[in-house]
Amino acid sequence: GAVVSQHPSRVICKSGTSVKIECRSLDFQATTMFWYRQFPKQSLMLMATSNEGSKATYEQGVEKDKFLINHASLTLSTLTVTSAHPEDSSFYICSTPPRAGGASEQFFGPGTRLTVL
Amino acid sequence: QKEVEQDPGPLSVPEGAIVSLNCTYSNSAFQYFMWYRQYSRKGPELLMYTYSSGNKEDGRFTAQVDKSSKYISLFIRDSQPSDSATYLCAMRDTGRRALTFGSGTRLQVQP
Repeated sequence: GAVVSQHPSRVICKSGTSVKIECRSLDFQATTMFWYRQFPKQSLMLMATSNEGSKATYEQGVEKDKFLINHASLTLSTLTVTSAHPEDSSFYICSTPPRAGGASEQFFGPGTRLTVL
Repeated sequence: QKEVEQDPGPLSVPEGAIVSLNCTYSNSAFQYFMWYRQYSRKGPELLMYTYSSGNKEDGRFTAQVDKSSKYISLFIRDSQPSDSATYLCAMRDTGRRALTFGSGTRLQVQP
């Protein structure tokens, strides 16, 4: 299966600071990557889709100015949480899209746990 | 109503038991069905992947999809303490590439 890495795995920051999370697809090139958020004891909720060469698409209710997404290359997508607040504390996970043909599984990164003090 | 419903548990079983995990869904357009296992503070790990209705078996795991009832199941035979984790069902339709997840069922297998 695909290998997806995320960095950092854990970050603690003060309220008001910005945090950048990197997501790398290590063994195939992805024109899109998905970003999910998971609050404690809740399921994964799709936040946005990063698109190489174009703007990210955001799910309803997700602030695009707060969660900046950049698909820098075919193997790298970044999520920047700007002016983070305690309510942004969550587990952020990226995933690859289905491979060519659409009928295949998706693989997830190990996640980044963000704690905003 | 959520698109995907899943009992959060926790479900506690003795080692060696057969475990049955289930999800129901409301969107009849869903065609691809997955089961992920997630250990605490880790990313989800794909266990089973099924397209449309039917059964799929892989070792101790069996996935079933009944599209007529909008119901999917994961069975774990001979459960082990190492199977203790949260199990997430996920699904999508052909037009949307991102997944819609259930809330996850926390499983505890007692040695």
